Amino acid sequence: SQQGEEDPQALSIQEGENATMNCSYKTSINNLQWYRQNSGRGLVHLILIRSNEREKHSGRLRVTLDTSKKSSSLLITASRAADTASYFCATGHAGNMLTFGGGTRLMVKP
Amino acid sequence: DAGVTQSPTHLIKTRGQQVTLRCSPKSGHDTVSWYQQALGQGPQFIFQYYEEEERQRGNFPDRFSGHQFPNYSSELNVNALLLGDSALYLCASSLGQTETQYFGPGTRLLVL
Repeated sequence: SQQGEEDPQALSIQEGENATMNCSYKTSINNLQWYRQNSGRGLVHLILIRSNEREKHSGRLRVTLDTSKKSSSLLITASRAADTASYFCATGHAGNMLTFGGGTRLMVKP
Repeated sequence: DAGVTQSPTHLIKTRGQQVTLRCSPKSGHDTVSWYQQALGQGPQFIFQYYEEEERQRGNFPDRFSGHQFPNYSSELNVNALLLGDSALYLCASSLGQTETQYFGPGTRLLVL
């Protein structure tokens, strides 16, 4: 079973626009991570936010975490066609086991 | 510095057969985790190996087994294959229990 739910399941935007993806989860976590996957290939780690953090930035990425609502959001600013991919949130638990959501498929049109 | 590598890249088997997938972790990493990703879904944790022992296991039947070798590489074995085992199998490595895991490109298994 999957821990998280991503919203929306699919998102289509124009190049230059911002993309926001949301993730909700059910149980307590050590951290929450976001990954990108291109065309069913391997996952690329984007950013990790720990349970005692509220916001984190990395380049064009901004992640927020609200543990009281058990939710997180990923914002990609000034999107590019190369950002087209599936994005997954994953909650980190004891022993470094990751539980993934179902993903958001992002399409950035040039 | 090689990242995580997996072999083979693609595999076709028939129901009832057995399959072995292989993973070499990123240089310096000693922990290997395996995930199954069905089409259109997120990856699901199968198990994790550290110091040649299975440390954690997800909700997968005993048909799924693994092994870790002294050089930290790992194998995933699936017996009595079912159609539902068709998926992308991902291997991830990390150094001990550090939080960030690095994923390989995956092995796509098709069971006919």
